[in-house]
Amino acid sequence: GENVEQHPSTLSVQEGDSAVIKCTYSDSASNYFPWYKQELGKRPQLIIDIRSNVGEKKDQRIAVTLNKTAKHFSLHITETQPEDSAVYFCAVLGMNYGGSQGNLIFGKGTKLSVKP
Amino acid sequence: DGGITQSPKYLFRKEGQNVTLSCEQNLNHDAMYWYRQDPGQGLRLIYYSQIVNDFQKGDIAEGYSVSREKKESFPLTVTSAQKNPTAFYLCASSTFGNTIYFGEGSWLTVV
Repeated sequence: GENVEQHPSTLSVQEGDSAVIKCTYSDSASNYFPWYKQELGKRPQLIIDIRSNVGEKKDQRIAVTLNKTAKHFSLHITETQPEDSAVYFCAVLGMNYGGSQGNLIFGKGTKLSVKP
Repeated sequence: DGGITQSPKYLFRKEGQNVTLSCEQNLNHDAMYWYRQDPGQGLRLIYYSQIVNDFQKGDIAEGYSVSREKKESFPLTVTSAQKNPTAFYLCASSTFGNTIYFGEGSWLTVV
C-alpha cells in the first residue's frame, strides 16, 4: 500500500521568512495530493491541492510543487505570518490493489511556528 | 465544510459504556469516513464507507462499529472493547476520488 513520509516534524521560522514542508510517497499511480492546515483544537482544513497532471500550483502566499519522477511534493509558504502557525498535513490519494482508487493517506504532520 | 455536522462536540464515557457519535452531511457526498486523532498526533482511519449499506475497516477499527443506512449519515459507536477511547474524533466526507472535508470534530473523554 501507499506510504507517505512528511518532513520536518517541527519547523520554526521568523515572521516574513519562507517555510517549506516536504512529503514523499511510494506508489507511482497516486494522482491527487492535498494539503491541510489544522489549528489547535480545530478540524483540518484544505488549503491547496494538486493533481498529477500539474507540476505546480499557487494560491497567494501558498504554493505546492509536485515531482512525479522523484515521488515527492512540497508545500511552500512565503512571507509567513503568525497566523500561519498550525499543524500542516500532506495527503496522497492511494490506489487499491487491483487499480481502483483508495483513500487519502496522511503524513504525520508538521508543526509550524512563526515567531513575530 | 459547513455541510458536515458532528454531535455531540464533547462527550464523556464511563468505563464499560458504549457511546455513539453522530455524523450527518448534506453535501450529497458518496463517501464518508471516521478518523481518530490523539493529542499531538496525526489522523488514523477507523472506518470508511463508499456507498450506502457498505463500509470497510480502516487501520484501527477494533473496538468501534459503524452503520451506513442513509447516504447522509454515518454514526460511529465506540464500544466498551475500545480500551483507550479518549481522543478527538473527526468525521469526513468526499465525492469519490476527490478531497475530503472534515466536520468540526467530537472530543471523547473517559471518566
